[in-house]
Amino acid sequence: DAKTTQPNSMESNEEEPVHLPCNHSTISGTDYIHWYRQLPSQGPEYVIHGLTSNVNNRMASLAIAEDRKSSTLILHRATLRDAAVYYCIPSGSARQLTFGSGTQLTVLP
Amino acid sequence: ETGVTQSPTHLIKTRGQQVTLRCSSQSGHNTVSWYQQALGQGPQFIFQYYREEENGRGNFPPRFSGLQFPNYSSELNVNALELDDSALYLCASSWTSGFTGELFFGEGSRLTVL
Repeated sequence: DAKTTQPNSMESNEEEPVHLPCNHSTISGTDYIHWYRQLPSQGPEYVIHGLTSNVNNRMASLAIAEDRKSSTLILHRATLRDAAVYYCIPSGSARQLTFGSGTQLTVLP
Repeated sequence: ETGVTQSPTHLIKTRGQQVTLRCSSQSGHNTVSWYQQALGQGPQFIFQYYREEENGRGNFPPRFSGLQFPNYSSELNVNALELDDSALYLCASSWTSGFTGELFFGEGSRLTVL
C-alpha cells in the first residue's frame, strides 16, 4: 500500500474554503485516491475518489497533481457539519482500504 | 433504500469470552467488509466477504472469523477475547468486491473487553 502523509489537524472558518493536502509519493499507477471522512461517533463516510483527472461532486472537489504524488481535497464552503477526521487512501480498489491517522478538521463559527 | 445497520451498538465482555457482531448491508450490495477501529486510530481492515466466501483478509488472527448469509447480511465472530480487542467494529458494504467507488459504512458496534 502507498504511504500517505496528512497534517494531523487543520482549522477553518465557517463558510470559507478548505484545502486538505495529502502526499502519496509511492502511489502505484493503478491506485485510485479515495477520500473518506469520519464525524464524531459515526462510521466513515465516502467523500470522493479519482484516478488522474480532477473530480467534482456535490460534497467536494479533488485536485490531483500531474505526477499523482499528491492530492488536495477541497471543501468549497466549510460548515460546522464538516468538522471531522478526513482520510486520504490510495488503493487499487475499495476491497481493502488502509486508513491512516487522517487530518482532524476543526471548523470555527 | 436502507443503509448499513449494525447490532448491537454497545456491548461489554470479559477476557476469554466470545462475541458475535451483526451487520445488514445496504439493499442490493453483495460485498461486506469488516474493520476494527481502536480509540484514536484509523479503521483497520479485518476481512471481506463476497458471495458468502471470504475474499481477502487483513493482519488479524484466526480467532477473528466471519460469515455472510444468502441475503448478504454478515456476522463477525471473535473468540478468546483479549483486552486489546476493545474497539469500534465497523461493517461496510459495496456493490462488488473489486469496486473502486463508494463503501457504505455502518455506525459500528463498540466492544469493551474487561
